Amino acid sequence: GAGVSQSPRYKVAKRGQDVALRCDPISGHVSLFWYQQALGQGPEFLTYFQNEAQLDKSGLPSDRFFAERPEGSVSTLKIQRTQQEDSAVYLCASSSGWGLSYEQYFGPGTRLTVT
Amino acid sequence: AQSVTQPDIHITVSEGASLELRCNYSYGATPYLFWYVQSPGQGLQLLLKYFSGDTLVQGIKGFEAEFKRSQSSFNLRKPSVHWSDAAEYFCAVGTGNQFYFGTGTSLTVIP
Repeated sequence: GAGVSQSPRYKVAKRGQDVALRCDPISGHVSLFWYQQALGQGPEFLTYFQNEAQLDKSGLPSDRFFAERPEGSVSTLKIQRTQQEDSAVYLCASSSGWGLSYEQYFGPGTRLTVT
Repeated sequence: AQSVTQPDIHITVSEGASLELRCNYSYGATPYLFWYVQSPGQGLQLLLKYFSGDTLVQGIKGFEAEFKRSQSSFNLRKPSVHWSDAAEYFCAVGTGNQFYFGTGTSLTVIP
């Protein structure tokens, strides 16, 4: 079946612009995660949804970052007034259950470049 | 605070040679431990995981890892590397709903 998909795959934004990154999880997966991966680094946790509920947003770096999953399926990560330090690959992952015992399936990521 | 250390930024091995990638973690309790592989243009793929029980775990693609509590380590091994194993490898610790990833080890395989 289809895996996790993300769009766009590449995004170039001028500093100060708003961007929206989309994640389509595997159908039926209840948990959804967003990560930020800077160049040469490992992914860093941003936020976690269980169905439509955002249970943990402790990793969001500033109030310019906002994520939603209104119907418990597709999720959008929005970054307002982008800054150069926001340049990174944004990864989405989904899993079929709650908790870390369920495997997370990762999408290919969206590479954001802020100029 | 939880942390994951992968001391080797880059490793080069010959095809057919054995491989060991190191991972050390800092965490108060017995963590959930994972190894992921990331190939260019591909998403992260789970190789194996450890939650409890037998400290030697088998994964996909012929990989295995051993949890050593006394050393706070979870090293990844493969007895014979294939050219297709060239990729970035990440160790991760899981707690609550969060993963903490290491900075990764880049593996190059030479013929």
